[in-house]
Amino acid sequence: NAGVTQTPKFRILKIGQSMTLQCTQDMNHNYMYWYRQDPGMGLKLIYYSVGAGITDKGEVPNGYNVSRSTTEDFPLRLELAAPSQTSVYFCASSTGTKNTEAFFGQGTRLTVV
Amino acid sequence: KQEVTQIPAALSVPEGENLVLNCSFTDSAIYNLQWFRQDPGKGLTSLLLIQSSQREQTSGRLNASLDKSSGRSTLYIAASQPGDSATYLCALNNDMRFGAGTRLTVKP
Repeated sequence: NAGVTQTPKFRILKIGQSMTLQCTQDMNHNYMYWYRQDPGMGLKLIYYSVGAGITDKGEVPNGYNVSRSTTEDFPLRLELAAPSQTSVYFCASSTGTKNTEAFFGQGTRLTVV
Repeated sequence: KQEVTQIPAALSVPEGENLVLNCSFTDSAIYNLQWFRQDPGKGLTSLLLIQSSQREQTSGRLNASLDKSSGRSTLYIAASQPGDSATYLCALNNDMRFGAGTRLTVKP
């Protein structure tokens, strides 16, 4: 079982560059989430999706975009990378029902220089 | 807006001690609460899920309780071991909002 898979694991970007962080899950989960985690801090929700074709903003959406064309995939796009976006990014998924767990990917460590 | 607070931010205990980690939330209308463990540089591993209708959940040396009326959950770790050293996070599964975590160090 692959669960939630994130790629790449590490990336260094220059200011102003763009990139897409990939997230895919093989559990047929409707709900997917993107978080960022700054050093010594908890997780902040960037965007989430409750199903294919539906996305919504979380706590810290500025500077990011998402799409959800399939149930499996939920890519996160950075259009103009800034040093403030240096962080570890986590993707998660769940069925969205009340009694089920959320599962997390292993994270993408992004540095913007 | 739901706020989730974890106290203490860091905790250091000698091996063998029993300990309690706290998670507080401001809105009692929750679906369920999930406790996670995060090792340095790693992702999150689910430890326990407490449904809103439950008062506690147990897995091995871990016991999590939930008191919705007071907006609190506690994670009890019995007979702590150095391998328990990690950051522990709680999240409310309504909107997947996280606390900042408690960094636990268990000294041999």
